[in-house]
Amino acid sequence: QVQLVESGGGVVQPGRSLRLSCVASGFTFNNFGMHWVRQAPGKGLQWVALIWYDGSNNYYADSVKGRFTISRDNSKNTVYLQMSRLRVEDTAAYYCARDRRGMGRAALDYWGQGTLVTVSS
Amino acid sequence: DIQMTQSPSSLSASVGDRVTITCQASQDISNYLNWYQQKSGKAPKLLIYDASNLETGVPLRFSGSGSGTDFTFTISSLQPEDFATYYCQQYESRELSFGGGTKVEI
Repeated sequence: QVQLVESGGGVVQPGRSLRLSCVASGFTFNNFGMHWVRQAPGKGLQWVALIWYDGSNNYYADSVKGRFTISRDNSKNTVYLQMSRLRVEDTAAYYCARDRRGMGRAALDYWGQGTLVTVSS
Repeated sequence: DIQMTQSPSSLSASVGDRVTITCQASQDISNYLNWYQQKSGKAPKLLIYDASNLETGVPLRFSGSGSGTDFTFTISSLQPEDFATYYCQQYESRELSFGGGTKVEI
């Protein structure tokens, strides 16, 4: 069965960096695009980033552009989110999710359980 | 950026009621719309894709309709396990966007 397991969350000071990982299993990872979606405490869902199945293209929300980098290692079935220059408003649960297609523009049909990032001094 | 406006933001209904949620896009998104259910403390779950297609395994009481800018999500007969927050999401653009959510209270 499809599984997505995130890790790497924690408490970090403003301005510092953190890298999240999402390990996939149960499907052919290099056929699917992958997203990161976040949810601040008590708030709604906010899309963060998309990476194509082969890593050749990335897309970002304006709020994270230039600070966050999405990448993937298809040999390890893993997608990453490198977060730099973190702000208090980046505090959220971060979910990785599978895109039903390789290049985005489809449903997010499987989600991980999320990893919590808290940015606080 | 495409803005998604969802209403109402919350509603209270009884078991057996018909529940309808609307979602409006700031521009034409054809049928590039999905609906998700999120229960407290859990990850979202895909219910409806391409505006009106029921995801495998999702009960038939859930349905979606619409195209262009106006979309509707319906629960035909509300069940106790349907207590959750529901989100619409567009994918006309690869920069996805979600509606603000509708919290359904039983």
